[in-house]
Amino acid sequence: EPEVTQTPSHQVTQMGQEVILRCVPISNHLYFYWYRQILGQKVEFLVSFYNNEISEKSEIFDDQFSVERPDGSNFTLKIRSTKLEDSAMYFCASTGAGALTDTQYFGPGTRLTVL
Amino acid sequence: KNEVEQSPQNLTAQEGEFITINCSYSVGISALHWLQQHPGGGIVSLFMLSSGKKKHGRLIATINIQEKHSSLHITASHPRDSAVYICAALGVYSGGGADGLTFGKGTHLIIQP
Repeated sequence: EPEVTQTPSHQVTQMGQEVILRCVPISNHLYFYWYRQILGQKVEFLVSFYNNEISEKSEIFDDQFSVERPDGSNFTLKIRSTKLEDSAMYFCASTGAGALTDTQYFGPGTRLTVL
Repeated sequence: KNEVEQSPQNLTAQEGEFITINCSYSVGISALHWLQQHPGGGIVSLFMLSSGKKKHGRLIATINIQEKHSSLHITASHPRDSAVYICAALGVYSGGGADGLTFGKGTHLIIQP
């Protein structure tokens, strides 16, 4: 069964460093999402991406964040200068027909620890 | 901004019991998702529904659009059902098909043998 994959599973970085989290969505999917979950808190929407551009973004997704689909398979989330409060689990998700009509398939997550 | 509330926050039950988890939201939605999160953190989509009722195996999800309320039921619960169950709403006034979800805090369910 097709699945969303994410790498790395765990990333440790120093405050102020740049990190790139990688996701490979399901191959025929068109809509891509990043979510985050701070330990002990609820999952929060960061950004959605469709047709090679950002479709929607939340208040969390400020200028420190960017997303990119550099080739036909990868979908990346970059944090330019990490802060302690960026420590969280980051989930990538994808869907084929859009959130209005199709379920979202989640990757296993990347645990980001900022020291 | 939609507020999604779940109850109970924690639920411990005996194997075989009928389980109900509730979800309410503050503004109209296009669809509501029920998700399952296991201790390792992975999230699995269980249901997406915009009206009525859906059933998959021992899981049943219902939604009442007028009352802005949804329930997830588990029949004949089993220890392997132990997980966090999360409801997530997709708003009506979102910009289109690529919109993100608004999540509840989750219900931590433990089924004891």
